[in-house]
Amino acid sequence: NAGVMQNPRHLVRRRGQEARLRCSPMKGHSHVYWYRQLPEEGLKFMVYLQKENIIDESGMPKERFSAEFPKEGPSILRIQQVVRGDSAAYFCASSLLSGANVLTFGAGSRLTVL
Amino acid sequence: DQQVKQNSPSLSVQEGRISILNCDYTNSMFDYFLWYKKYPAEGPTFLISISSIKDKNEDGRFTVFLNKSAKHLSLHIVPSQPGDSAVYFCAASARENNNDMRFGAGTRLTVKP
Repeated sequence: NAGVMQNPRHLVRRRGQEARLRCSPMKGHSHVYWYRQLPEEGLKFMVYLQKENIIDESGMPKERFSAEFPKEGPSILRIQQVVRGDSAAYFCASSLLSGANVLTFGAGSRLTVL
Repeated sequence: DQQVKQNSPSLSVQEGRISILNCDYTNSMFDYFLWYKKYPAEGPTFLISISSIKDKNEDGRFTVFLNKSAKHLSLHIVPSQPGDSAVYFCAASARENNNDMRFGAGTRLTVKP
């Protein structure tokens, strides 16, 4: 039973390009969370999704960032027109229950913007 | 707004000794606290948690203490082992909005043989 799978593990983009990060939750988990870790900082909540629904996006930047969790396939975090400040590690987590306090994290996707 | 703070970015202890990692929080609505452990190139993994109705929770070598009046919690590891070397994140959530778990910046623990 694979854990939370994130890909790519490393992504390099030039300023202005688009970045797409994918997350497949643990088998049986239908709740997905995205967190961002900037250098020297803790994990910051971005968005919480269930299948086909965004439940809480209070941590998402207002522009350029979007997330989806379609009925079929992985959750995707999309960053348009990336800037250097978007360079960070992006972690996906999943849970079995709504609002579960114990999350299972993926290994993260490290985005570097040149 | 940094609602969960880990003021020590790093800690070094000798194998066999006690490791104490500290965490402070500012939001009095937080009522559930967790510690996550993170190795390089891996995601955080859940270690131990405590609810605000308790002041201590123990699991093997790991004990978490909660002081609600001081808004402070600590993780004790005894005896420390080299395999405990990792970054430890403190996290907190409030029942009303536990989708938004707040994390501290982490403390890098090094246990020397």
